[in-house]
Amino acid sequence: DVKVTQSSRYLVKRTGEKVFLECVQDMDHENMFWYRQDPGLGLRLIYFSYDVKMKEKGDIPEGYSVSREKKERFSLILESASTNQTSMYLCASRSGGLDNSPLHFGNGTRLTVT
Amino acid sequence: AQSVTQPDIHITVSEGASLELRCNYSYGATPYLFWYVQSPGQGLQLLLKYFSGDTLVQGIKGFEAEFKRSQSSFNLRKPSVHWSDAAEYFCAVRGVGGYNKLIFGAGTRLAVHP
Repeated sequence: DVKVTQSSRYLVKRTGEKVFLECVQDMDHENMFWYRQDPGLGLRLIYFSYDVKMKEKGDIPEGYSVSREKKERFSLILESASTNQTSMYLCASRSGGLDNSPLHFGNGTRLTVT
Repeated sequence: AQSVTQPDIHITVSEGASLELRCNYSYGATPYLFWYVQSPGQGLQLLLKYFSGDTLVQGIKGFEAEFKRSQSSFNLRKPSVHWSDAAEYFCAVRGVGGYNKLIFGAGTRLAVHP
């Protein structure tokens, strides 16, 4: 089974802090994603990466950056956390080999910015 | 623009009753459609997907969905709900930009009464 592991289940940070959310997958997937989940809004794509050191903006990239130095690891960075970034963050990965291969999700990191 | 609408934010059914969760999409070409389920405290798990062919697709946990192009719908069904089906359900469509741009609906939260 594919395993996508997010390093923290809960995080509490202060406004202005630099925050790192880490995600690791163990299936050698080319594509990795960061989504934000908010009630009533579903999941919104922040960034995705289709290869090491490659990244593309999703629908809501403002206030975020990402890093993919190794194939298995994809980090989401909040350069200066703000209260409106309080949310559930979901990491996902998928194989690049098939157009219809599904997303595999981690269990999420619930971030609170105070 | 591509979009997914799940008209029901919250649904309550009795255990053993049938279930239908609605999903309407907006997409110009033949869509790739997905249903995911999120149990409390978990990431999202793929229930089923439609790409082409038979418009009635079977998924895991006894779920099925029917693609109706004329109605732009992809409703999820289950003939007899179990208490363990209580979760949040997300419909998603592959959007412009290829397979990496999944657009999710806002979700439907299902409660199951004993």
